[in-house]
Amino acid sequence: DAGITQSPRYKITETGRQVTLMCHQTWSHSYMFWYRQDLGHGLRLIYYSAAADITDKGEVPDGYVVSRSKTENFPLTLESATRSQTSVYFCASSEPGGRTYEQYFGPGTRLTVT
Amino acid sequence: GQQLNQSPQSMFIQEGEDVSMNCTSSSIFNTWLWYKQDPGEGPVLLIALYKAGELTSNGRLTAQFGITRKDSFLNISASIPSDVGIYFCAGQLSDSWGKLQFGAGTQVVVTP
Repeated sequence: DAGITQSPRYKITETGRQVTLMCHQTWSHSYMFWYRQDLGHGLRLIYYSAAADITDKGEVPDGYVVSRSKTENFPLTLESATRSQTSVYFCASSEPGGRTYEQYFGPGTRLTVT
Repeated sequence: GQQLNQSPQSMFIQEGEDVSMNCTSSSIFNTWLWYKQDPGEGPVLLIALYKAGELTSNGRLTAQFGITRKDSFLNISASIPSDVGIYFCAGQLSDSWGKLQFGAGTQVVVTP
């Protein structure tokens, strides 16, 4: 049972390059989320998706693009990376229904933009 | 922006001591969740609370959903070295179904 996985775990890229972070979950959860974690800011929501082909902006969406063609995958793309996007990125999933809003996180991708 | 105030920001405790931390907000939440994050890993769900006044335990961890629905508390009893990490609270607002607001975290350091 793989749960939720992210790749790559570590990435170094240059300013201006496009980079895609991958997220895959095996639970068939409807909801998926992308967060970034920075010192002093905690976890901030970038984008989320309620189902395949349904996505919406979170708190800090500028500079990011997401897609969700399949339930299990939710890639995050930085179209033109900037140094301010150096961060640790976490993907999460949940299956809201009834009283359940619990989100389960992947191991994270540490991205450095030089 | 962040709507949850989590305190303390950090705590240094001796093994065997009890730990208490809390989250407060000016908003009313339907759900409170507590997570723990180890270095280099993603947050792991510890306890979920769904009802005002609810008190739930998970081993040495006990969490409570505040009666006003604007706060929550987490206690760790008889701390051990593996309790080291960052603890996050998260709350779900009634009008943001599926999305969570996170506190800034409490860093716990346990010394032998």
